[in-house]
Amino acid sequence: SQTIHQWPATLVQPVGSPLSLECTVEGTSNPNLYWYRQAAGRGLQLLFYSVGIGQISSEVPQNLSASRPQDRQFILSSKKLLLSDSGFYLCAWTSNYGYTFGSGTRLTVV
Amino acid sequence: QKEVEQNSGPLSVPEGAIASLNCTYSDRVSQSFFWYRQYSGKSPELIMSIYSNGDKEDGRFTAQLNKASQYVSLLIRDSQPSDSATYLCAPQARGHKYIFGTGTRLKVLA
Repeated sequence: SQTIHQWPATLVQPVGSPLSLECTVEGTSNPNLYWYRQAAGRGLQLLFYSVGIGQISSEVPQNLSASRPQDRQFILSSKKLLLSDSGFYLCAWTSNYGYTFGSGTRLTVV
Repeated sequence: QKEVEQNSGPLSVPEGAIASLNCTYSDRVSQSFFWYRQYSGKSPELIMSIYSNGDKEDGRFTAQLNKASQYVSLLIRDSQPSDSATYLCAPQARGHKYIFGTGTRLKVLA
């Protein structure tokens, strides 16, 4: 069966510090992978998606970036975090039956 | 006009009643539609998908789709306190993406 792992679960980072969130998928090959952010009391905002190794599409201009170094690995990064980067970050992959989300990372920038 | 519109709620229903959650979408190209349930602090989980006009039933859940009206709904019969959550509507957008509504918060009163 397919599983998706996301870590860490929670993170508190100072403004201006770097960020690296990792997501890995097991049990499937060449998945479409996504990073979403959910700000407090807000909807899900698509940040990046990837249809293959090295292929990244950015949906929203910001100080975040994404990379896909391996088929089942998707990384979200920032060189310098802003207060506005706080939120709940979700990795997801798709099948014909919709998204499956990871358990999420709650990021608080202080 | 937003791509996906949902009443934010909260929608309060007594235990045992039918909860009716509605969603309208703007992209006529959308062919696949999904409902996700998100408990507070957790990631969304897929509960229903629907692809054709009409009704689709799965246990206590019924999804209804009307593509001509660009409307999709979710009915929850015999609502339970454990159904209290935010319900997200997600039509498949163009390409590999899904666009989420901001969700309707459902409260089932015991």
